[in-house]
Amino acid sequence: QKEVEQDPGPLSVPEGAIVSLNCTYSNSAFQYFMWYRQYSRKGPELLMYTYSSGNKEDGRFTAQVDKSSKYISLFIRDSQPSDSATYLCAMSAMDGGATNKLIFGTGTLLAVQP
Amino acid sequence: NAGVTQTPKFRVLKTGQSMTLLCAQDMNHEYMYWYRQDPGMGLRLIHYSVGEGTTAKGEVPDGYNVSRLKKQNFLLGLESAAPSQTSVYFCASKRGDSQETQYFGPGTRLLVL
Repeated sequence: QKEVEQDPGPLSVPEGAIVSLNCTYSNSAFQYFMWYRQYSRKGPELLMYTYSSGNKEDGRFTAQVDKSSKYISLFIRDSQPSDSATYLCAMSAMDGGATNKLIFGTGTLLAVQP
Repeated sequence: NAGVTQTPKFRVLKTGQSMTLLCAQDMNHEYMYWYRQDPGMGLRLIHYSVGEGTTAKGEVPDGYNVSRLKKQNFLLGLESAAPSQTSVYFCASKRGDSQETQYFGPGTRLLVL
């Protein structure tokens, strides 16, 4: 079983829809949760970062973490064609080596249709 | 600032050939990472460095070597390329030992025939 599971999609939605992207994980030591966006043939870029449980909102994007269920979500409101990309979840734990290595999900491919 | 740059962008190798991928960052970051990205596997850490002159193994280090002779550069070497090393390679860097953003380069596409 992978430490981080993510539905690869593809997910196709009409412009203006609310998008929900999710990841589950098995390591209860994870405390730091991130969402990266990766456009085709580009490197990933950090979109949202959350520590421990709770919600975080940034414009049209909301990240949620439920540590009790080991489940994280990214919501995109009023989705735009420019949101079409692969979304990667990533997470890490504070370990003794303090290198904070990230464990990534496989990514969900999102297509927002005009 | 150019951020994180990678050279080359694309390369085709024959099995058994060697090559070096170069990563450079101009943000004075301490930490640098090499990942590979494969369909259905996500990003997997190959090697990383926590400072000039240091390197450490990640999740999938076999068949790769790295060097960090200068703070701004992190080199990934393939001594004898194999078809299983066909992948997209990403370099990343971050400022220090905390939960800060990793900044990724644009990637190098490598095809080993």
